[in-house]
Amino acid sequence: GAGVSQSPSNKVTEKGKDVELRCDPISGHTALYWYRQSLGQGLEFLIYFQGNSAPDKSGLPSDRFSAERTGGSVSTLTIQRTQQEDSAVYLCASSPTSLNTIYFGEGSWLTVV
Amino acid sequence: GQQLNQSPQSMFIQEGEDVSMNCTSSSIFNTWLWYKQDPGEGPVLLIALYKAGELTSNGRLTAQFGITRKDSFLNISASIPSDVGIYFCAGQTSGTYKYIFGTGTRLKVLA
Repeated sequence: GAGVSQSPSNKVTEKGKDVELRCDPISGHTALYWYRQSLGQGLEFLIYFQGNSAPDKSGLPSDRFSAERTGGSVSTLTIQRTQQEDSAVYLCASSPTSLNTIYFGEGSWLTVV
Repeated sequence: GQQLNQSPQSMFIQEGEDVSMNCTSSSIFNTWLWYKQDPGEGPVLLIALYKAGELTSNGRLTAQFGITRKDSFLNISASIPSDVGIYFCAGQTSGTYKYIFGTGTRLKVLA
């Protein structure tokens, strides 16, 4: 597609449920990033993919968080047993390997009640 | 998580005024990016800087990559109401794809 596409745009879930957030990067971009933005806060790095591998998972806050990428394209961020503190906007970004700029999607707004 | 120091945290200015904001880091970066985020949307790239001392403009926006490689500045000239939003800087260290983001500057423009 023309830009980074994320779904769902909004998700309300009950505490303890699992959620999956999807990111479809810009076509041809091999680098993919997930960031988290809590209300009124800056962007917190979660994980980075180069192709299908994740050389940097350092930002995942706990083992309830996992992410995968298949076919060097779509990525899924999974949060298991959601907690209220997981409520945030989850932003995906992609980048071509030869350039250093990253482009963001609109984000997935997650609310855990 | 790790973040850059960005200042000011917020600004209220009159339409037509110029705006300056900056980011500083204890680490040396090889790339600086500046983004604007409107409510309910993802950050949109404004300017990318790749070389120490580089000065780049995008319309009324001008950004500079500091000589020390530990800071960057963004200036907005003749502000207009649609400049309202949150401005973020982001830095990338050499040999890594990881970007560290500043805490954001909230800009409000009074007509």
